[in-house]
Amino acid sequence: NAGVTQTPKFQVLKTGQSMTLQCAQDMNHEYMSWYRQDPGMGLRLIHYSVGAGITDQGEVPNGYNVSRSTTEDFPLRLLSAAPSQTSVYFCASSYGQGGREQYFGPGTRLTVT
Amino acid sequence: RKEVEQDPGPFNVPEGATVAFNCTYSNSASQSFFWYRQDCRKEPKLLMSVYSSGNEDGRFTAQLNRASQYISLLIRDSKLSDSATYLCVVNMNNDMRFGAGTRLTVKP
Repeated sequence: NAGVTQTPKFQVLKTGQSMTLQCAQDMNHEYMSWYRQDPGMGLRLIHYSVGAGITDQGEVPNGYNVSRSTTEDFPLRLLSAAPSQTSVYFCASSYGQGGREQYFGPGTRLTVT
Repeated sequence: RKEVEQDPGPFNVPEGATVAFNCTYSNSASQSFFWYRQDCRKEPKLLMSVYSSGNEDGRFTAQLNRASQYISLLIRDSKLSDSATYLCVVNMNNDMRFGAGTRLTVKP
């Protein structure tokens, strides 16, 4: 049982490049979410999903896309990277429709130059 | 005004001390509340959920005051291993809002 896994652990992008951050969980959780964490800001919710085929926007969705084709996977796509997207990205999952204990992946440290 | 605000910290306390963290939230319709712990350069992990009646888990006690929109965390008999950042989390309709965190350092 691996819990929540994220790849890659580290990534450097140039401005304008696109990429996908991968997230997978093996706990059969319905709810999955993506956060970014910046110094002094706390974690901010980017997008979330309450089940396969259902996604919704969080607090800071601009510049990011998500999809949820399976229960296990919830990739986050950066469409055209900007320096303002330099951050640590965490994926999380939980039982049910949300509002419960979340299990976090180890994070992806992204730098956009 | 931020939706979830925490004591700025840092808190530096000796082993064995009692320390309390506070958190206020702005949305009165918030539905569930949590304290998470985050070690340096690691992912957050749930410390405890916070219930209206208050709850205790060993040396940790959490309180919720809905009327004042206020959450607290009390740590008794601090250990070196309690050194971490403590995050207050408030949920409304699946929109989880995190405080910026309060850093605690417990010293020998």
